[in-house]
Amino acid sequence: EAGVVQSPRYKIIEKKQPVAFWCNPISGHNTLYWYRQNLGQGPELLIRYENEEAVDDSQLPKDRFSAERLKGVDSTLKIQPAELGDSAVYLCASSVTSGTYNEQFFGPGTRLTVL
Amino acid sequence: RKEVEQDPGPFNVPEGATVAFNCTYSNSASQSFFWYRQDCRKEPKLLMSVYSSGNEDGRFTAQLNRASQYISLLIRDSKLSDSATYLCVVPRVDSSYKLIFGSGTRLLVRP
Repeated sequence: EAGVVQSPRYKIIEKKQPVAFWCNPISGHNTLYWYRQNLGQGPELLIRYENEEAVDDSQLPKDRFSAERLKGVDSTLKIQPAELGDSAVYLCASSVTSGTYNEQFFGPGTRLTVL
Repeated sequence: RKEVEQDPGPFNVPEGATVAFNCTYSNSASQSFFWYRQDCRKEPKLLMSVYSSGNEDGRFTAQLNRASQYISLLIRDSKLSDSATYLCVVPRVDSSYKLIFGSGTRLLVRP
């Protein structure tokens, strides 16, 4: 069974440029998460989707970040414009449903470097 | 105080050694806990779940001390392949189901 797929794996852009990341969760997983992981830190949740609904976006910097999951499957995370401090690994994860006991499966991440 | 705190390490141990990491959490109402393993430049993967006093899986043992609000991960007979960062994870005790990750403890197992 395929795991969580993310693309691109690496992205280098100049500050003020836009960038988008794509995620395809495990088939049948209703819940999708976007995390950001800075060097030497654990992942931090940006947004959680239940099907196509964003149910927790409290940590998403809405002035420059946006996300969508239009058909409740694939998701896109966008940054516009990017800042130097956005350099990090952006991880997508999915689980069957939300809930404490549901294991989250992570994709390989997109490593973003903003110059 | 951070919600989840870990010693960043690195812990540098020889093959065959026993090593233990601790993780402290701030919310005394927390009921479940997880250890994730993250290899260098890879994604985190679930290693072990802890719902009661502890859990054991082969060479790995997780123990929970609710009174002192810490969880430990014990690795016996360390292998070179155990070299990784171990992330302590504590879910928020509310309807958000939000996982709070520690910063991780790095383990290096040398030959």
